[in-house]
Amino acid sequence: AQKVTQAQTEISVVEKEDVTLDCVYETRDTTYYLFWYKQPPSGELVFLIRRNSFDEQNEISGRYSWNFQKSTSSFNFTITASQVVDSAVYFCALSERGNNRLAFGKGNQVVVIP
Amino acid sequence: GAGVSQSPRYKVAKRGQDVALRCDPISGHVSLFWYQQALGQGPEFLTYFQNEAQLDKSGLPSDRFFAERPEGSVSTLKIQRTQQEDSAVYLCASSLGDATDTQYFGPGTRLTVL
Repeated sequence: AQKVTQAQTEISVVEKEDVTLDCVYETRDTTYYLFWYKQPPSGELVFLIRRNSFDEQNEISGRYSWNFQKSTSSFNFTITASQVVDSAVYFCALSERGNNRLAFGKGNQVVVIP
Repeated sequence: GAGVSQSPRYKVAKRGQDVALRCDPISGHVSLFWYQQALGQGPEFLTYFQNEAQLDKSGLPSDRFFAERPEGSVSTLKIQRTQQEDSAVYLCASSLGDATDTQYFGPGTRLTVL
């Protein structure tokens, strides 16, 4: 069964600080896909990144970076030099081959204080 | 190009009423998904279509929930005899391929059952 755990529920940071969101997943499959989505107050889920289980290379996109470690079943997300516009709920999600769904974690509420 | 659209954005129903929620996926996307998001939680899978075929409806919480996608494009989620516990945001997503491809989400329909 797919399972995603995001332990921190709410994280508050002062603007320009870095913030790291932890995501731990469980799966029996060797082929799977990991995602991060952002849900701002408007409510729409915005896609940030998709990573397959065979690609452990870390990725950086602007102020966003992701650290994928299969050994610890983690796919962590870091926002560098946070801005007020980063205030949102961030979801980590997992998809397995043959399983017709995304399994989401409970989300991390990030509050960036100006 | 246009993203996923959903209508209505907000719906208030009296307990026992039937409701219909509409989803317009991204043009050309084969797969369409419905998710239910309770307040403070991550989205939970309801059902999955590949073109017009409903391949997975294992997430539908009861037989009061029904979904269709008759021409392989627009989809409707119908809830009969609504109950208070049906109050949630209903999210629609579409992807070019299967569930392991990136799913793009609509803005959701917030259903409130009084």
